[in-house]
Amino acid sequence: AQSVTQPDIHITVSEGASLELRCNYSYGATPYLFWYVQSPGQGLQLLLKYFSGDTLVQGIKGFEAEFKRSQSSFNLRKPSVHWSDAAEYFCAVGAGGFQKLVFGTGTRLLVSP
Amino acid sequence: GAVVSQHPSWVICKSGTSVKIECRSLDFQATTMFWYRQFPKQSLMLMATSNEGSKATYEQGVEKDKFLINHASLTLSTLTVTSAHPEDSSFYICSALGGASGETQYFGPGTRLLVL
Repeated sequence: AQSVTQPDIHITVSEGASLELRCNYSYGATPYLFWYVQSPGQGLQLLLKYFSGDTLVQGIKGFEAEFKRSQSSFNLRKPSVHWSDAAEYFCAVGAGGFQKLVFGTGTRLLVSP
Repeated sequence: GAVVSQHPSWVICKSGTSVKIECRSLDFQATTMFWYRQFPKQSLMLMATSNEGSKATYEQGVEKDKFLINHASLTLSTLTVTSAHPEDSSFYICSALGGASGETQYFGPGTRLLVL
């Protein structure tokens, strides 16, 4: 069965510092991978997605993610974090094609001044 | 583009009453929509897949008679929580399948339900 692991429950980063959020997946075929962000009390906003092609994908708000098949990973990165980036970040893999999403447990990002 | 709305954004109701939540794709048509439930500080759990013009497909453990889903048009799906009880209190989020090849889920802002 498909699964997604986000090993970090919380991460605190200083404003202006770089960020990397980890995501590992388990899926038998070529995965469809997504990163979503959720602000408190809000729905999810799509940051970026990977289906095929270039393994480094660019998203909104200055985020990027790199697909590494050998490591079954799809880590999210940002070179310089802003206070407004504080939120919950979810990695997801499309199961059954992309009709269903299996979500990781999320990583809460805290940004310190 | 790809905006999904939900109404209401929050609702408080008495135990035993029914509550209807609407999910609309505002600028695209969605033959498939999804309903999720999210408990505090937890991830999203898929409840059901809603397909326009057909019956919803429920995930294992989800009571289809309690959570009625109707997808009557290409832009609207509704979730009705029937005979709500306090344990149904949660954050309900819908998504609509869109994108160039219908491959991306776009999420609504969520509905917070509190059953007293």
